[in-house]
Amino acid sequence: EVQLVESGGGLVKPGGSLRLSCAASGFTFNKAWMSWVRQAPGKGLEWVGRIRSKSDIGTTDYAAPVKGRFTISRDDSKNTLYLQMDSLKTEDTAVYYCTSHWGPGLYWGQGILVTVSS
Amino acid sequence: DIVMTQTPLSLSVTPGQPASISCKSSQSLLHSDGKTYLYWYLQKPGQPPQLLIYEVSNRFSGVPDRFSGSGSGTDFTLKISRVEAEDVGVYYCMQGIQLPLTFGGGTKVEIK
Repeated sequence: EVQLVESGGGLVKPGGSLRLSCAASGFTFNKAWMSWVRQAPGKGLEWVGRIRSKSDIGTTDYAAPVKGRFTISRDDSKNTLYLQMDSLKTEDTAVYYCTSHWGPGLYWGQGILVTVSS
Repeated sequence: DIVMTQTPLSLSVTPGQPASISCKSSQSLLHSDGKTYLYWYLQKPGQPPQLLIYEVSNRFSGVPDRFSGSGSGTDFTLKISRVEAEDVGVYYCMQGIQLPLTFGGGTKVEIK
């Protein structure tokens, strides 16, 4: 069974940084492409970015609103995905979901809340 | 970016009655590999989204057969043949043919 467990969320001030982690199990993590998707309070779903598997060069792609501020990385030895968020803005407040492209669609973690507020 | 437009915004359905949700994309979702990368997800209250339908019409493992997807190119439909209480939540379509992945605005389904 695919399991994705996010951690590292919380309250941070505008301009601050936060790193989210996603512990993965139940599939071959090092072969999976992974994405982060976020959902602002009461709003819809917004894709944040994706990292390919290392066998597919491990490149990253980002949505325009976060490009240059967020960095996705992975540690295949730990089956863990990361989202480094810098220069945070109030509009980054959202539940952040770790997702895996392992299946025919996306598998989703339970999500972790990030609140950017002074 | 590909814009995904869902209608209606909300639906109130009597149990046992059918429901239908439309999703239109601003560009064709038909890939050169012959597949059409249109997905449907259901987000039940307080839960993450869960995959219902992939590549337009394929039900994901464990999804009841009262859910069906259809369409082609830029026009797609999710149908629930007989709505049950457990089907409440927000339904999202998503395109996977091009980055950024984009989602429809969501359709909230509630029970009358």
